[in-house]
Amino acid sequence: DAGITQSPRHKVTETGTPVTLRCHQTENHRYMYWYRQDPGHGLRLIHYSYGVKDTDKGEVSDGYSVSRSKTEDFLLTLESATSSQTSVYFCAIKLGRGLNTEAFFGQGTRLTVV
Amino acid sequence: AQTVTQSQPEMSVQEAETVTLSCTYDTSESNYYLFWYKQPPSRQMILVIRQEAYKQQNATENRFSVNFQKAAKSFSLKISDSQLGDTAMYFCAFMKPFRSGNTPLVFGKGTRLSVIA
Repeated sequence: DAGITQSPRHKVTETGTPVTLRCHQTENHRYMYWYRQDPGHGLRLIHYSYGVKDTDKGEVSDGYSVSRSKTEDFLLTLESATSSQTSVYFCAIKLGRGLNTEAFFGQGTRLTVV
Repeated sequence: AQTVTQSQPEMSVQEAETVTLSCTYDTSESNYYLFWYKQPPSRQMILVIRQEAYKQQNATENRFSVNFQKAAKSFSLKISDSQLGDTAMYFCAFMKPFRSGNTPLVFGKGTRLSVIA
């Protein structure tokens, strides 16, 4: 079973402060993703990674940066949090190949920017 | 770019009845993967069923089955014998195969399903 842990699970922060969310996996999967979930928008891709130090932007990357210095950790940073970044954030990893392909998700982080 | 459309924001069904959730997508790829994910109130994203575009046969997982119409770019989910535990948000998602490079999941906006006792 894939192990993926997001931390923190909940966070309240003030506008203008930096925030870092962590995604940790235990099985050396290459592909990792950060999504945000908002009512009426489904899940939208923020950034993704295809290896150590290899990252790329997704659909809604403005205001976010990522880093992946180790295979197991994928960090999402809000440089200066804004109220529009209040959301639920999901990390995911890609499992399998071919017919066994799927994305496996962490339990999400609820971030509130006040 | 790929897009996924779920035209039913909310649906409801009586317990033990059958319900169908709609999904359409747009792509120029010839092979790809399609998924339905369930998100109950716990917020956990759970894979319900997947389909590879080259497979003619519709995927089935217990009470869940899909109607995959490749030419129409349609991928609907049928839930038979609905149970209270099926109450959740359902997301349709698209993924290009690995050989196409960047392959994140692209999601629809979701359908909120309520199963009524």
